[in-house]
Amino acid sequence: DTEVTQTPKHLVMGMTNKKSLKCEQHMGHRAMYWYKQKAKKPPELMFVYSYEKLSINESVPSRFSPECPNSSLLNLHLHALQPEDSALYLCASSQVSGTPEEKLFFGSGTQLSVL
Amino acid sequence: GQQVMQIPQYQHVQEGEDFTTYCNSSTTLSNIQWYKQRPGGHPVFLIQLVKSGEVKKQKRLTFQFGEAKKNSSLHITATQTTDVGTYFCAGPRNTDKLIFGTGTRLQVFP
Repeated sequence: DTEVTQTPKHLVMGMTNKKSLKCEQHMGHRAMYWYKQKAKKPPELMFVYSYEKLSINESVPSRFSPECPNSSLLNLHLHALQPEDSALYLCASSQVSGTPEEKLFFGSGTQLSVL
Repeated sequence: GQQVMQIPQYQHVQEGEDFTTYCNSSTTLSNIQWYKQRPGGHPVFLIQLVKSGEVKKQKRLTFQFGEAKKNSSLHITATQTTDVGTYFCAGPRNTDKLIFGTGTRLQVFP
């Protein structure tokens, strides 16, 4: 199984809502990532978890809250988002420790719209 | 800060023509990765280059890593409509993060 599964595929939320994005992989990978991608732009790193511990937070606003319940799961909790947070949110995993030498396996993403 | 730029930003070609995208870093890279993202899809890993001057081929795709390890290129021979998408290079920033280049969007007309 070489898949990274993300749910939901699409999400529309108001600025006062609380929602969560979910990501799952069963490749035995020990590093998991959240990326944000705006249309026609490259993916931008948000968070890295290595061995279930948060290793990198790219100065992401606190309205985004990541969680790694176990080595296969990664969540992104959303609260009080702004319209400019509308984007494709991509989860990725890599084999060992989250170093930039490792290739990334991406999920199909959650297209988020904040109204 | 460190930047990874790609040119061109966008290119459209007739099916059967060749295509090249160039990736340039402001700093030396320990390695460079290439990803392809189809329209409406997600990035998919293509290849990783590690050695100075390295050249790797995957069927019609040829990847090169510059001698100074600050630039790379992807060349597609005889493009097909299945090659449509955005091609990103990606390299390490400092020692801990993978930074994606600005991307080149390829359109192939039949």
